[in-house]
Amino acid sequence: ELKVEQNPLFLSMQEGKNYTIYCNYSTTSDRLYWYRQDPGKSLESLFVLLSNGAVKQEGRLMASLDTKARLSTLHITAAVHDLSATYFCAVDIGGSNYKLTFGKGTLLTVNP
Amino acid sequence: NAGVTQTPKFQVLKTGQSMTLQCAQDMNHEYMSWYRQDPGMGLRLIHYSVGAGITDQGEVPNGYNVSRSTTEDFPLRLLSAAPSQTSVYFCASSYVGREKLFFGSGTQLSVL
Repeated sequence: ELKVEQNPLFLSMQEGKNYTIYCNYSTTSDRLYWYRQDPGKSLESLFVLLSNGAVKQEGRLMASLDTKARLSTLHITAAVHDLSATYFCAVDIGGSNYKLTFGKGTLLTVNP
Repeated sequence: NAGVTQTPKFQVLKTGQSMTLQCAQDMNHEYMSWYRQDPGMGLRLIHYSVGAGITDQGEVPNGYNVSRSTTEDFPLRLLSAAPSQTSVYFCASSYVGREKLFFGSGTQLSVL
């Protein structure tokens, strides 16, 4: 059974600071997703990471994937209040299995 | 384009009642899925479909039925609602099941 663990689950940070959210998974996979959810809202896609060493950046967020370590990171640079949200990673083990497994999410609060 | 449309947005049921959550997408996506979101649990896959006439179970399928008669629609049926089914339900779709998911706005369901 695939397990996806995110750390930390809660993150309170000051504006202007940097931090990293970690996503570990238990089964070989070369496809990992990051989603953002604002309070009371739906989820929107941030990044799709398709291979070992993949790195994607948008604005103050950068995601990377290390398939050998079964680890993805979401790095936040110079945080701003608008980044406050819950961030989920999700893993797809591929093949004929279309079952996407989500982590429990990281609630990020950026304080002025 | 409307994207993924879910109805209703809110629903209150009594234990034992049945109902159908509707999901429709206008992006010609082959893959459609239903998730439930509970506090501290992330998103858990209920059922998914990779095309009309093809459905399969996810992580938490008990108490739910699905069918896929058209590419556009993927309704979720609760046969006999239980308090444990109180949750927020999201429908999501994508191309082929390997690309990013597009989520509906969610249905908040309470079973009393």
